[in-house]
Amino acid sequence: DAGVIQSPRHEVTEMGQEVTLRCKPISGHDYLFWYRQTMMRGLELLIYFNNNVPIDDSGMPEDRFSAKMPNASFSTLKIQPSEPRDSAVYFCASSTRAGTEAFFGQGTRLTVV
Amino acid sequence: AQKITQTQPGMFVQEKEAVTLDCTYDTSDPSYGLFWYKQPSSGEMIFLIYQGSYDQQNATEGRYSLNFQKARKSANLVISASQLGDSAMYFCAMRSYNTDKLIFGTGTRLQVFP
Repeated sequence: DAGVIQSPRHEVTEMGQEVTLRCKPISGHDYLFWYRQTMMRGLELLIYFNNNVPIDDSGMPEDRFSAKMPNASFSTLKIQPSEPRDSAVYFCASSTRAGTEAFFGQGTRLTVV
Repeated sequence: AQKITQTQPGMFVQEKEAVTLDCTYDTSDPSYGLFWYKQPSSGEMIFLIYQGSYDQQNATEGRYSLNFQKARKSANLVISASQLGDSAMYFCAMRSYNTDKLIFGTGTRLQVFP
């Protein structure tokens, strides 16, 4: 398996634009996590899915953020409209049930100017 | 609610020495797992070691060991015989077996010097 695949690796966008980050989890993994990493706040859990269903989105910072998982092999995190304070590295991770480690993608570095 | 605390923003260690990175946690769940990840400057997240809350023995993986003290709710990472390549950010994480939620601490930056 190729591992967790995120795209794009880097994204630079202007304030107010819509941004969509994509993630393909490892086949057979039924949990998918989205994290945001910043220097100030470390790795924050934004939302996680089990069998394509959102379980906990309490970490989503505000209504500008939304996430979907239309099928077992694809998830998106959308920011609309984007703001400079959204600049961060966004990670997607997948795993099987608790007791096993989560595997991370390479991350998407988002810069909003 | 779950919480992970890493109180050491940065640590220095000389090559070949051992170093302990602290991690404390809080949870009301009786069953959970504890993890450590390494993030080198290249940015990827690398899984290092896992400890289950019911495991009787401390986990070990090569030069990594996890000093698990359940009553104190601590899960410190011990790296023996440090190498220059160990310089990185280290994250402690906890996963509830009840909710499967996986959260991370703020990390400790380890620098190994010759």
